[in-house]
Amino acid sequence: KQEVTQIPAALSVPEGENLVLNCSFTDSAIYNLQWFRQDPGKGLTSLLLIQSSQREQTSGRLNASLDKSSGRSTLYIAASQPGDSATYLCAVSLLAGGFKTIFGAGTRLFVKA
Amino acid sequence: ETGVTQSPTHLIKTRGQQVTLRCSSQSGHNTVSWYQQALGQGPQFIFQYYREEENGRGNFPPRFSGLQFPNYSSELNVNALELDDSALYLCASSFQVWTTFSGNTIYFGEGSWLTVV
Repeated sequence: KQEVTQIPAALSVPEGENLVLNCSFTDSAIYNLQWFRQDPGKGLTSLLLIQSSQREQTSGRLNASLDKSSGRSTLYIAASQPGDSATYLCAVSLLAGGFKTIFGAGTRLFVKA
Repeated sequence: ETGVTQSPTHLIKTRGQQVTLRCSSQSGHNTVSWYQQALGQGPQFIFQYYREEENGRGNFPPRFSGLQFPNYSSELNVNALELDDSALYLCASSFQVWTTFSGNTIYFGEGSWLTVV
C-alpha cells in the first residue's frame, strides 16, 4: 500500500532563507509526482510536476527533485518570501488496481517578514 | 484561475440525507478526479473518471458514487450522509494520455465545503 509522508509537518523561517521540504513514498512504482500549494480554505495550485523518468523540475525560485529508487522527493524554495506562506503538499500517481493519486499530509510553511 | 469550477461552495446537510456536488472541468480536459479533505489533512483520493468511465477508486464505500458527462463535467454523489463526511470536497481535471501512462498537471477547483449535522 502506497504511503506518502512529508517532513517537517510545520516550518517557520525568516524571510530570505533558503529551505527544503521533504516528501517520501513507500512504493517506487509511480509514474509521476507533483508538488502543490494550498492557501487556507482554498483549492490546490500545482507548482511542479515530475514524470517518473525525470530527476528534477524547476520553476522560478522552486526546484523539485525526484529519486524513485529511494522513494524521495524534495522541494527547494530559494530566497523565501512572506507570500510563500502556505501548506505545501506532494502527491504521487500510480496504477494499483486502477489509477490512484496519493497525497501527503503537507508541510505548513510560515515565512516571517 | 484554473478553469475548474465547483458548486455549491458551501452546504449543510442532515445525517442520512443525500448530496450531489458538481464540477465543471477545464476546457480540453478528459479526466476528472474527486478528493475529500478533512481539516489539517491532505486530500484523500475518492475516484477518477476518464472519458466517462471510472478508472480508479480510493478506499471509499459504495455510497460515494460519481458520473462524468460527455462535456467532461462531473458529479459526486454521497448517499446516507454521516457526520464524518463533513469535509472539503475537491474536484480536479487534467488531460491524460493513458496509452503512454504519461501524466499531466492536475488543476483543482476551490472546493465544496460540506457540513453534516
